[in-house]
Amino acid sequence: QQQVKQSPQSLIVQKGGIPIINCAYENTAFDYFPWYQQFPGKGPALLIAIRPDVSEKKEGRFTISFNKSAKQFSLHIMDSQPGDSATYFCAVYNQGGKLIFGQGTELSVKP
Amino acid sequence: KAGVTQTPRYLIKTRGQQVTLSCSPISGHRSVSWYQQTPGQGLQFLFEYFSETQRNKGNFPGRFSGRQFSNSRSEMNVSTLELGDSALYLCASSLTSGGHNEQFFGPGTRLTVL
Repeated sequence: QQQVKQSPQSLIVQKGGIPIINCAYENTAFDYFPWYQQFPGKGPALLIAIRPDVSEKKEGRFTISFNKSAKQFSLHIMDSQPGDSATYFCAVYNQGGKLIFGQGTELSVKP
Repeated sequence: KAGVTQTPRYLIKTRGQQVTLSCSPISGHRSVSWYQQTPGQGLQFLFEYFSETQRNKGNFPGRFSGRQFSNSRSEMNVSTLELGDSALYLCASSLTSGGHNEQFFGPGTRLTVL
């Protein structure tokens, strides 16, 4: 049973574009929503995270939008650069501290 | 501050063998979690250790086991290897267990089962 559904699986944008990655969850007990970035040959690294009492959070060019009623959250990357090409994972934390990942989105930013 | 280290980085085994992977967490971190990453299933939680005790466990068969030592270093073992165990095994450390402690991932061990 997939507890976090992430889309799209892959995404290609031009430099300067705004890729958007979406995630949906079912369990309302999830209470923390991080996004991870993974480059080839590396482990995932925390990019940005949001709590359910906030609808939006920005850190540099990265923004999370959170819709609690729809049980959805998304990552926007402003002014995307070729160096942003990586695989992005949304995740949820349950109250037991267990991290559950989405399937991942492979982003390619063309020069 | 050194990051999470995992050894070995690459491993090739044959079906039926067993394997032990090692993880050294960031200094001061007491929680270690293990994940399996495959193209088909993505990142799946295996288990978490804190203070030498297993705190959480994912949905994996008993062939997958782990342990944590008093210095917080952790090992995971897979016995009777199957072809489907081929994956990238990631270790992540955090300061403590539970809550929303940031997890810092190592580069992983790439296991290939022939």
